[in-house]
Amino acid sequence: DADVTQTPRNRITKTGKRIMLECSQTKGHDRMYWYRQDPGLGLRLIYYSFDVKDINKGEISDGYSVSRQAQAKFSLSLESAIPNQTALYFCATSDPSVSQGFEKLFFGSGTQLSVL
Amino acid sequence: GIQVEQSPPDLILQEGANSTLRCNFSDSVNNLQWFHQNPWGQLINLFYIPSGTKQNGRLSATTVATERYSLLYISSSQTTDSGVYFCAVELYNNDMRFGAGTRLTVKP
Repeated sequence: DADVTQTPRNRITKTGKRIMLECSQTKGHDRMYWYRQDPGLGLRLIYYSFDVKDINKGEISDGYSVSRQAQAKFSLSLESAIPNQTALYFCATSDPSVSQGFEKLFFGSGTQLSVL
Repeated sequence: GIQVEQSPPDLILQEGANSTLRCNFSDSVNNLQWFHQNPWGQLINLFYIPSGTKQNGRLSATTVATERYSLLYISSSQTTDSGVYFCAVELYNNDMRFGAGTRLTVKP
């Protein structure tokens, strides 16, 4: 079983619809992240959370919201989807206590979202 | 903000060839990682390398933090090496910045 699981794997939705992408992890990490990937731009950080009570905006948080329901769950919502939110979305976790104090990211398999 | 530039943007190799991918960053960073995204979109950690040199099979990486660059070497390339290679830097505020990636195609 994957350590970081994203659902759904693929989603097609219409402009204006609300959509939620879910991420769960079994690694026991406190830190979780949502990224989006666009061709030619690499991955950009949307939101991150260092523990259940901590939520921080990333580079491109406009149009998105998140919820950290538990240590293991971090959801990304698009309240009113628009076509330029069509992208591949990745959830990731990290644990700063490993690798001699440095962080290492662990990614889910991604969610391909298409907004028509 | 910090700039992370990867070169080349695209690379086509014949199977068996060697290659070097480069990642330049414009400011001091806390650490640096290399990732491989396979043609199915899955991201795999390759190296966690804030400085120095590491090797894993046919892949190796070197980061020279004082000169703000990192290199990923792929030797004896195979078709399964195809995909996009990203470098990502961690800033001192724990934020991460990714480069735009190098798209590698290895032809049989």
